[in-house]
Parts: sequence; structure tokens; C-alpha cells
Amino acid sequence: GAVVSQHPSWVICKSGTSVKIECRSLDFQATTMFWYRQFPKQSLMLMATSNEGSKATYEQGVEKDKFLINHASLTLSTLTVTSAHPEDSSFYICSAILGGFTEAFFGQGTRLTVV
Amino acid sequence: GDSVTQMEGPVTLSEEAFLTINCTYTATGYPSLFWYVQYPGEGLQLLLKATKADDKGSNKGFEATYRKETTSFHLEKGSVQVSDSAVYFCALDPRGTYKYIFGTGTRLKVLA
Repeated sequence: GAVVSQHPSWVICKSGTSVKIECRSLDFQATTMFWYRQFPKQSLMLMATSNEGSKATYEQGVEKDKFLINHASLTLSTLTVTSAHPEDSSFYICSAILGGFTEAFFGQGTRLTVV
Repeated sequence: GDSVTQMEGPVTLSEEAFLTINCTYTATGYPSLFWYVQYPGEGLQLLLKATKADDKGSNKGFEATYRKETTSFHLEKGSVQVSDSAVYFCALDPRGTYKYIFGTGTRLKVLA
């Protein structure tokens, strides 16, 4: 099946620094990827849609200047949490779609802790 | 708006017990419905799906039927195993855009 890989799996950073999370489709080209965020004991919430070669589309309430998304190639999308603060601590997970399939394929997620 | 309500866990069962995890949804139109499973340290894996009313998705002994009249998509398995211990997410795609709406997830623990 289609494999989506995220890196890193977990990261701890200091408040005020920026953190980059990578989402790669390993065996297929993904023109569209999605980024979700999960708070403890809550649902995964869609943050943004990432399209190769164009600007990301953010969901209502998501700060685009805080969460920078770049989809520079057909196999890689990155999420950069800028000037991270403890409230940004969360589980971030990406998904990608492959033509011909009715479901999305998910990465393993990244646990971000800001201290 | 569109939403998914999933029973809270954790659910603890003995091996070979019957499993039901309830999932109900609110959506306009005809969404696709999914169950994803997340094993410890891994990503979300598609367990099963249904794309129209009365469809039954099944995989690895798990089943769920798309019930439009009750807006439900309950997950069932007749005999759970220790290896089924994981977190299960119910999700819907309301408009076929792959922008999923998830339930909160239900943690299942199966004891030997």
C-alpha cells in the first residue's frame, strides 16, 4: 500500500524556537497533502491543505503565520511551527492522497513538546 | 456542522470477547465513513470503509455497516485478540475532498 512517513516522530524544543516537521510520500507522488493536529483527548482537527507548487489553504482559526506549510515537491510537505510556545505542544499528523483511492494515507504523526 | 461522536474509552476486554465501538455522525448529503486504527508508535491505518448507505465494510474480522437511518457506523468484532489493542478512530469525509472529520478515538485494551 501507499506509505506516508513523518519525521521526526517526536521533538522537544524551547519556547521561541521554530520546529520543522516533514511529511513524505515514499512510494507515490502526492499532489495534495493534509495536516492535522490533535489535542489530548480530542479529535484530530484539520489544519490545512497543502498543494504542490501553490500556497496552502488553512482552515478557519489556524494562524498561517504560525504554521508555515511548504509543499515544494510531489513527495514532500513540511510544516514549520514558528516561534513555538507551550500551547503549540500537540500531536501533528499528515495525510496524502493517491489517485484512484477513496481513502487518505496517514503518517505516523509527530509529538511536539515545547518547554 | 459535520461531526462525529465516538464512544469514550478506554475499553478493556478479555481475549475472545465481543467488541462494539459506537460511532454516530452528523452530516449533510452522503459522506463516506471510515474506521482507522493506530497501533502504538505507528500512524493511522485504514481498517475499513463504506461509501454509501447500507454498505458493510469489513477487514481482519472487524465489520461496520453504514446506517443512514440512524446515522451510525458502529465497529464490531466477534472475538478480539491481544493484538487488537490500539486506538480506533471513526471518521467521515463529508464531500469527497479527503478532508476528514474525526471522532475522539477509542482506546481498546485486550487482556490475555
